[in-house]
Amino acid sequence: GAVVSQHPSWVICKSGTSVKIECRSLDFQATTMFWYRQFPKQSLMLMATSNEGSKATYEQGVEKDKFLINHASLTLSTLTVTSAHPEDSSFYICSGLGHQGSTDTQYFGPGTRLTVL
Amino acid sequence: AQSVTQPDIHITVSEGASLELRCNYSYGATPYLFWYVQSPGQGLQLLLKYFSGDTLVQGIKGFEAEFKRSQSSFNLRKPSVHWSDAAEYFCAVGGNQFYFGTGTSLTVIP
Repeated sequence: GAVVSQHPSWVICKSGTSVKIECRSLDFQATTMFWYRQFPKQSLMLMATSNEGSKATYEQGVEKDKFLINHASLTLSTLTVTSAHPEDSSFYICSGLGHQGSTDTQYFGPGTRLTVL
Repeated sequence: AQSVTQPDIHITVSEGASLELRCNYSYGATPYLFWYVQSPGQGLQLLLKYFSGDTLVQGIKGFEAEFKRSQSSFNLRKPSVHWSDAAEYFCAVGGNQFYFGTGTSLTVIP
């Protein structure tokens, strides 16, 4: 159980265009979802935390107008990279907060590789 | 402040040899601890986790980890490494909020 999917798994786009990445919790409801960014050979960097039905909370240094996050339902959060530029090329990973027994923990999606030309 | 340290950036072991990857953490409360593995271009795969109870945790692919509160450590071990274990390994602490280490890259030589 506790599976998170991401779509697309890999996207290539032209500079200046916008790209939407979907994150779905397939078999559990995730009131909270997280978006991470990972640069090559580096660790994950938390970008933002989204709660269903409310505005996302962005980490310091993350442009909220560039990285639009929508968490419209308990199973879906989307990240839209607006006016993408080559420096936005990265691996984006989402996670959903689920329950295991009495414990909340994060379940990670497989990631989306974004390449901006 | 919460943080995770993986002191070894890169480790090389021979196939069949034992492996230990180090992880130290700083966390204000009782930690939930995790080890993930990431193959190139892939997402994270959970190897094992510690929430409470027995401090020696068994995971998938023959991995185990031991939680030592006195040392603030959660080292990952495997008695005999396989070539397919070559990957990036991340230690993480937290529950609602995760803190990741910088990762240890494992190379396995035949």
